[in-house]
Amino acid sequence: AQRVTQPEKLLSVFKGAPVELKCNYSYSGSPELFWYVQYSRQRLQLLLRHISRESIKGFTADLNKGETSFHLKKPFAQEEDSAMYYCALSSWGGSNYKLTFGKGTLLTVNP
Amino acid sequence: DAGITQSPRYKITETGRQVTLMCHQTWSHSYMFWYRQDLGHGLRLIYYSAAADITDKGEVPDGYVVSRSKTENFPLTLESATRSQTSVYFCASMKTSASGEQYFGPGTRLTVT
Repeated sequence: AQRVTQPEKLLSVFKGAPVELKCNYSYSGSPELFWYVQYSRQRLQLLLRHISRESIKGFTADLNKGETSFHLKKPFAQEEDSAMYYCALSSWGGSNYKLTFGKGTLLTVNP
Repeated sequence: DAGITQSPRYKITETGRQVTLMCHQTWSHSYMFWYRQDLGHGLRLIYYSAAADITDKGEVPDGYVVSRSKTENFPLTLESATRSQTSVYFCASMKTSASGEQYFGPGTRLTVT
């Protein structure tokens, strides 16, 4: 069974400080991992996916298969980064598709 | 971003009543999904559909029914609503199995009294 763990429900940092949102996964195959973000009163949207290796809004995430982690990082947090962040893992089992979300981390960036 | 819409946005219903949540997408995406979002649980997949007339269970399907007679619509029905089904429901779509990115609707906040 696949599982996604986000150990921090809440994370609070000051503006300009580095931020790291942790994500660990459990999956026997080759995972495809994502970070989704939900800003206040807005719908969920994709922030980044590991296969694209892009940096979006200053965020990066590196897949570490040895540590089974996909932590989200930003060197200098901004107030507009305050949001709920979800790590997610997708997989295929035959013709069945599955996207498993972590429970989310609420990031607050204080002025 | 009107590509995927949900209705109603808010709904209050009583225990035992049947309620249907609507989801509509204009992109002709193959895949559509229903999630519920609860504090402490994050998002959990209820049902998904790979194409019209093809649906499959997710993590928490009990008490829910879906159908997909047309590619653009994916209604979710609570056959006999219970208080435990009070939640925020999100519909999502995905273009193909290879695309990976899901596009989410604005959500429906359902309260079962």
